[in-house]
Amino acid sequence: QSVLTQPPSASGTPGQRVTISCSGSSSNIGSNYVYWYQQLPGTAPKLLIYRNNQRPSGVPDRFSGSKSGTSASLAISGLRSEDEADYYCAAWDDSLSVVVFGGGTKLTVL
Amino acid sequence: EVQLVQSGAEVKKPGESLKISCKGSGYSFTSYWIGWVRQMPGKGLEWMGIIYPGDSDTRYSPSFQGQVTISADKSISTAYLQWSSLKASDTAMYYCARHLRNLGSEDFYMDVWGKGTTVTVSS
Repeated sequence: QSVLTQPPSASGTPGQRVTISCSGSSSNIGSNYVYWYQQLPGTAPKLLIYRNNQRPSGVPDRFSGSKSGTSASLAISGLRSEDEADYYCAAWDDSLSVVVFGGGTKLTVL
Repeated sequence: EVQLVQSGAEVKKPGESLKISCKGSGYSFTSYWIGWVRQMPGKGLEWMGIIYPGDSDTRYSPSFQGQVTISADKSISTAYLQWSSLKASDTAMYYCARHLRNLGSEDFYMDVWGKGTTVTVSS
């Protein structure tokens, strides 16, 4: 059971906009930044969004993040086949003193 | 270019010891936290712990405290994850990752990842 809650799956067709939610609590998302990681099949995770809504250099602006209270979301616009991957949200948890992850959302591009 | 290069896949028997490595390059190894993340087969990511090579300050997730040891040799810019007695349940992919900390807080996140080391424990 993951500390952060994500839907196990999401899907969309090319060109569509999809969102992935991430729910936490006051000790993690409610008081710290949220991060999103993309894990393409058979590869290591990659930082996609940091500090709630910032994109590292090289990440397309099709990817955006937001946070409100104890929840966050990742939006992907102009969906492409190469976006098919697992997406994980993460945050520091002040009570546990660890980085906590969501269980991951498998995005399928139909 | 910042890179983390991990050691190769390992196949071990239950009860054996193991130490895997992660060599950093392209940045000041002693100035950044570095840590480990476990991914069991078909499962999600689990944060194990981190070390600051500059002074060897080490933090563990309670889930992994006492089960593994994280260390670093700053002279060769390499971090390690070791087990003294492996179990079948240690079978997983292990990623090392450079960690950044937001100023004024204990808010850590991973910005650069290694490609992973597969550890298989089977009799």
